[in-house]
Order: sequence, then C-alpha cells, then structure tokens
Amino acid sequence: NAGVTQTPKFQVLKTGQSMTLQCAQDMNHNSMYWYRQDPGMGLRLIYYSASEGTTDKGEVPNGYNVSRLNKREFSLRLESAAPSQTSVYFCASSDKSNQPQHFGDGTRLSIL
Amino acid sequence: GENVEQHPSTLSVQEGDSAVIKCTYSDSASNYFPWYKQELGKRPQLIIDIRSNVGEKKDQRIAVTLNKTAKHFSLHITETQPEDSAVYFCAASYTNAGKSTFGDGTTLTVKP
Repeated sequence: NAGVTQTPKFQVLKTGQSMTLQCAQDMNHNSMYWYRQDPGMGLRLIYYSASEGTTDKGEVPNGYNVSRLNKREFSLRLESAAPSQTSVYFCASSDKSNQPQHFGDGTRLSIL
Repeated sequence: GENVEQHPSTLSVQEGDSAVIKCTYSDSASNYFPWYKQELGKRPQLIIDIRSNVGEKKDQRIAVTLNKTAKHFSLHITETQPEDSAVYFCAASYTNAGKSTFGDGTTLTVKP
C-alpha cells in the first residue's frame, strides 16, 4: 500500500521556469492538500481540494496553481518559478477534513 | 477562520523526563485535534488524535488532553527517549471545514 506518492523527489529549476509537482493517493480519500515547509518552519497550506472537482486557496497561494485531475491525483504548478519558492513541498490526503492526514515524502525544490 | 497557537517553540528535556506541548485554538466549532511528529528530513506522521467528545486519550507513553471550555489541548510524553527528538505539530479542524489549521511546531530535543 503506497499511500501518498509524490514525484519528483528532488528538482532544481532556474528562475522563470515552470514545473508541475505530481501527487497521487491510493486510499480513496476525498480531500487532498499541498503544503510548503521552509527550513526550520512549519507547514503552510498552499491549496486544498476538499472533494473531487473543488479546489480552494490556502494560506500562501500566490505563484501557484492546482488541478484536481481525479479523485486520486492533485497536482501543483509553478508557472514562473522564483527563488522565494525554494522549499520542501508536501502533499497530503485525508478522507475528510476532520480525519488524519497522510503525507507524502515531499519534493525538495531549489530555484536558482 | 481558525487560529492555532503552539507553545513552546523549542523544548529540551533529559532522557526519562516528561515533555508537555500546549496548543490553543480559536474556533469553538473545531472538533478534531491531531498531533503529528516529523523526524528530521522525513514526512509528518500522525501519532495521536482526540475528538471533542472525550477529554483525554492515551497510547503507551503519549497522551493528549482536551479542555473545550478553555479551547486548549496538550500533548504529554512520559519517560522520554532520544528517538522522541523531532518536531511536533498540533492541528485543529471541524466537520466540513475542508482543511486543518496547524500550529507552528515544537522542536523537542531529548538529551541522553
């Protein structure tokens, strides 16, 4: 049982490049989330999808877009990467908002 | 919206001592309070959670207490061990909230 799978695990981009981070879950969860975690900091919510077909902004949505492709997959896109977006990105899923979240292993993204 | 404050931000204890981390929340509608542990370089993982219909829950050396009137909940770790060293996050959410609100995290160091 894979749980939440994120790809890629590592990526280096140049300023201005675009990229899509992929996330898939195999637990039939309704809700999915994207967080960023800067060094020594907490988890900041970028976007979330409470159910298939819906997406909502979180705390720090600027510079990002998301797509809930189907119930399993939730992708995060950086249209024009900036050094301030250097971070570790975690995808998570849960059956509902008041249920435990299961996190992926993260994508370590560096923007030069 | 919900606001979760977590204290202390760092905590250092001797092996065998107890550790207590406290969180306060603002939204009286919140009814689900999980705690996550994040080891260095790893993903956050649920260690214990509590719902608003109970005041305390225990799982071996860890326990969580909830005071709904005061809107705070605490994580208690007894007989701490070096492998308890990690960052701990609290969170709060409610049915149909769509998302959880996380505290900023507590870095626990257990000295051998």
